[in-house]
Amino acid sequence: DGGITQSPKYLFRKEGQNVTLSCEQNLNHDAMYWYRQDPGQGLRLIYYSQIVNDFQKGDIAEGYSVSREKKESFPLTVTSAQKNPTAFYLCASSDLRGLYGYTFGSGTRLTVV
Amino acid sequence: ELKVEQNPLFLSMQEGKNYTIYCDYSTTSDRLYWYRQDPGKSLESLFVLLSNGAVKQEGRLMASLDTKARLSTLHITAAVHDLSATYFCAVRGSNAGNMLTFGGGTRLMVKP
Repeated sequence: DGGITQSPKYLFRKEGQNVTLSCEQNLNHDAMYWYRQDPGQGLRLIYYSQIVNDFQKGDIAEGYSVSREKKESFPLTVTSAQKNPTAFYLCASSDLRGLYGYTFGSGTRLTVV
Repeated sequence: ELKVEQNPLFLSMQEGKNYTIYCDYSTTSDRLYWYRQDPGKSLESLFVLLSNGAVKQEGRLMASLDTKARLSTLHITAAVHDLSATYFCAVRGSNAGNMLTFGGGTRLMVKP
């Protein structure tokens, strides 16, 4: 079955530590996206990528980094520069026409300990 | 810049009642999407509306799109507790390719 997989489901980060969230899709989608969601809030775009080896900053890119070395994969690194990283992180993908909207992964809940 | 606003932000309603959630947007668009999010879960696609006058129905939910008014509605008929969730609309701007702009969400709570 085609889909988009995020791992881990829960992640705990110590102060000053970098952590990487995984996002893999087998939908043959060209575009992939990372969103952050705080409790009771909407979605905020962190980074997106329309093609391999290229990505653009979203609205809240500071303290985050991404790579897109393969079409299927778009990992997000939360760096120590992100001072308030506790949130729910959602990865999504779409084809370039966007006809069917986005397909979302199941999310990663990141907590600073 | 495309702006998408949903209202109400929070809706508490009794089972069996009807209500409508509104999604309006600021610039021309030909595609609008509705998603559902259960607490602690991801977003699930509900409806894809691709043209003016489009209407889609699934169970007790019906979504419509009026591109001239730049407005979509999500109508809930005879609400049941299982519909309790947060509902997001998302709009593709006319020159935005595949990029969507999301509304802030409407948190729906249906009380027995």
